[in-house]
Amino acid sequence: GENVEQHPSTLSVQEGDSAVIKCTYSDSASNYFPWYKQELGKRPQLIIDIRSNVGEKKDQRIAVTLNKTAKHFSLHITETQPEDSAVYFCAAPRGGDNAGNMLTFGGGTRLMVKP
Amino acid sequence: DADVTQTPRNRITKTGKRIMLECSQTKGHDRMYWYRQDPGLGLQLIYYSFDVKDINKGEISDGYSVSRQAQAKFSLSLESAIPNQTALYFCATRGTAGTEAFFGQGTRLTVV
Repeated sequence: GENVEQHPSTLSVQEGDSAVIKCTYSDSASNYFPWYKQELGKRPQLIIDIRSNVGEKKDQRIAVTLNKTAKHFSLHITETQPEDSAVYFCAAPRGGDNAGNMLTFGGGTRLMVKP
Repeated sequence: DADVTQTPRNRITKTGKRIMLECSQTKGHDRMYWYRQDPGLGLQLIYYSFDVKDINKGEISDGYSVSRQAQAKFSLSLESAIPNQTALYFCATRGTAGTEAFFGQGTRLTVV
């Protein structure tokens, strides 16, 4: 099955700096890679996703890059702000994102942005 | 966002008791999931269902059972709760492939 590893487990940055979180996956058939943000005491919510037919996707201060050959994808947050402090999860579908295949989540990264 | 609703939000139960966590959704999604989150850890899949007639075990199904009563309802049961099942439980739904998974607010379960 799919194995998703996420690094680092904790990340502390100064406000305004960039943050990068990396994930590797094992199933070469995986073709959909979402990132979720979980604020303290709240539910995980999707912030950005990427499909295997593109190498990079941006949404304002957030970007995701994908390297299918190396089987890894990364979340980049620029100009970090205190409200970016949260736990971030990457995910990948087992066996490709066909009907019904569930998402396997990474272990999470606790991002702390110091003002 | 009340599209995916879990009840109860918090529960304390004793070892050996049976407990049911309920999830209902108004998004019209066929796929529903139950995840467990332990402190400092990621989300582990317990069970998932593609429709009312299709239920599948996830990574950590031992000690749990589920029931898909309708497209909109997916319940998780602990037949005989034990302390190491103390965790935060999330229900999630998903529509077509390659789309966002929507999570409920979570149920914090404590087994004493």
